[in-house]
Amino acid sequence: GAGVSQTPSNKVTEKGKYVELRCDPISGHTALYWYRQSLGQGPEFLIYFQGTGAADDSGLPNDRFFAVRPEGSVSTLKIQRTERGDSAVYLCASSPLAGDGYTQYFGPGTRLTVL
Amino acid sequence: DQQVKQNSPSLSVQEGRISILNCDYTNSMFDYFLWYKKYPAEGPTFLISISSIKDKNEDGRFTVFLNKSAKHLSLHIVPSQPGDSAVYFCAASAVSGYALNFGKGTSLLVTP
Repeated sequence: GAGVSQTPSNKVTEKGKYVELRCDPISGHTALYWYRQSLGQGPEFLIYFQGTGAADDSGLPNDRFFAVRPEGSVSTLKIQRTERGDSAVYLCASSPLAGDGYTQYFGPGTRLTVL
Repeated sequence: DQQVKQNSPSLSVQEGRISILNCDYTNSMFDYFLWYKKYPAEGPTFLISISSIKDKNEDGRFTVFLNKSAKHLSLHIVPSQPGDSAVYFCAASAVSGYALNFGKGTSLLVTP
């Protein structure tokens, strides 16, 4: 079946602009995760959804970052007043349920470049 | 504070030989460990995992070993193939957790 998809694959924006990044999880997966990978680093956790609610948003760096998952499937990561330091690959993952033993399957990522 | 560490940024191995990738962790609450493989411009692909109740898990050419007392795990690939050339990430999650903590990755190059 189809894997996790993310759009756009690349996004270039100017400092101060607003961006939205979309994630379509694997059908039937109730848990959805956002990670951010900066150059030379491993992915860093941002936020996790169980169904429609954000169960843990402790990884969001500041209040310019927000994510929603209104119908428990597609999720959108929103970044306001983008800064050059936000440039990174934003990865989305999904799993059937959350917790140990439930493998997280990753999408290809969205490469965000803030000029 | 990096809780999962992969101290070798790169590794080069000849085709047919064994590749050993190492990973250390500091958080004693971690109880589930995974290895992901990543090709350029693609997302990480799940490779193999191990629970803390085991010390070894094998899947084809891939074996993961866990030494809880040393807080160390390793991934063995035997025999190594050129298609194994990729960046390998070690990841861990805590008891009842869900957020994965990743290392910085090791770039493996398998030469013919």
